[in-house]
Amino acid sequence: KAGVTQTPRYLIKTRGQQVTLSCSPISGHRSVSWYQQTPGQGLQFLFEYFSETQRNKGNFPGRFSGRQFSNSRSEMNVSTLELGDSALYLCASSLGQGRTGANVLTFGAGSRLTVL
Amino acid sequence: SQKIEQNSEALNIQEGKTATLTCNYTNYSPAYLQWYRQDPGRGPVFLLLIRENEKEKRKERLKVTFDTTLKQSLFHITASQPADSATYLCALELDQAGTALIFGKGTTLSVSS
Repeated sequence: KAGVTQTPRYLIKTRGQQVTLSCSPISGHRSVSWYQQTPGQGLQFLFEYFSETQRNKGNFPGRFSGRQFSNSRSEMNVSTLELGDSALYLCASSLGQGRTGANVLTFGAGSRLTVL
Repeated sequence: SQKIEQNSEALNIQEGKTATLTCNYTNYSPAYLQWYRQDPGRGPVFLLLIRENEKEKRKERLKVTFDTTLKQSLFHITASQPADSATYLCALELDQAGTALIFGKGTTLSVSS
């Protein structure tokens, strides 16, 4: 079956611009999580969506937002980009069953954002 | 809030030896702990999951232990090979709902031949 697909794979933006990243989960997976990965901070949790609702949120400013559509596809948006937003943004999907299912994540290859 | 620490940023070992990676956590007792592998330029890939009532889990050359008293998990790769060189991440549930995961910063393993 197809894996998690993220688009675009690479993008370059300038400070102050905004960006939208897209994620298509594995068929049947209703949970989509987003992470930011940088060399200094590692993999940091942004938010998690399940059935179009944001269920969990990490400690990121309001410039970072997301949404999930009825087909489970998800987008995340970063507004007013800053240099520090340069990172690899990873999307992961799962069945989203919480403790019962132990929530194993399948990751996409990521979107590499460079802010100049 | 939940905190995860992977003690070593980098670990260098020789081919054939056993690599042991450590993951420590604080603040509450998770229902399970997971280990992932990440290669450069790729997303993490799930390796193993161990639940709180399991002391040890094995998969081929991989072994994970879970000590809920010490709040620690150890990840072992026996008979290591250069192909095992990668970054290994441990992950825990964000909270008791268990619907999101947080990750440690990872340990980069280099296996030399």
